Amino acid sequence: QVQLQQSGPGLVKPSQTLSLTCAISGDTVSSNSAAWNWIRQSPSRGLEWLGRTYYRSKWYNDYAVSVKSRITINPDTSANQFSLQLNSVTPEDTAVYYCARGLAGTMDVWGQGTTVTVSS
Amino acid sequence: QSVLTQPPSASGTPGQRVTISCSGSTSSIGRNTVDWFQHLPGTAPKLLIYNNIQRPSGVPDRFSGSKSGTSASLAISGLQSEDEADYYCAAWDDSLKGWVFGGGTKLTVL
Repeated sequence: QVQLQQSGPGLVKPSQTLSLTCAISGDTVSSNSAAWNWIRQSPSRGLEWLGRTYYRSKWYNDYAVSVKSRITINPDTSANQFSLQLNSVTPEDTAVYYCARGLAGTMDVWGQGTTVTVSS
Repeated sequence: QSVLTQPPSASGTPGQRVTISCSGSTSSIGRNTVDWFQHLPGTAPKLLIYNNIQRPSGVPDRFSGSKSGTSASLAISGLQSEDEADYYCAAWDDSLKGWVFGGGTKLTVL
């Protein structure tokens, strides 16, 4: 059974970098059939897909236009996890952040969610 | 404003059948499959329907999905109090090269 376990701080100061990690069990980050996604939810923006990383003989990333200039998603094969970094955060980035596995055209397994507040 | 359009609310009484619509575009629903998620406060979204009509193991057959053109629908029959939740549709968008979601529909069981 695939499980995703998120970790990271719940409070980030404005202009700093938000960093979260999603540890994978029951699958591998370098799977040739899965993609590893980050999504967030806020009252003002609803569910918003942020980006993904996936391996198909080499590593690829796709990022949402809304955050493309500020986001990095990296795989960590040694720890079987992947991470989200979002730079230059503002209070608008306050949200619940989720990681999710993408498989066969859907996002079938989700992490437990991390509430991140951007505030000084 | 969400790329996919859902009604903000829906309601029904126990035992009733309710449907939730999701409208998109050629580049999203028109070319790709639709997923539906059930979201309860404080929990992760749960995959309810994938590939327009498929139910993951463990999802009751009271939940069904359909798609036509650039629109999709989720139907819930035999409504139960435990179905009270937020429901979201989602699809890949070829133009945006990313996943897009509906704004969510809050289902109330009266």
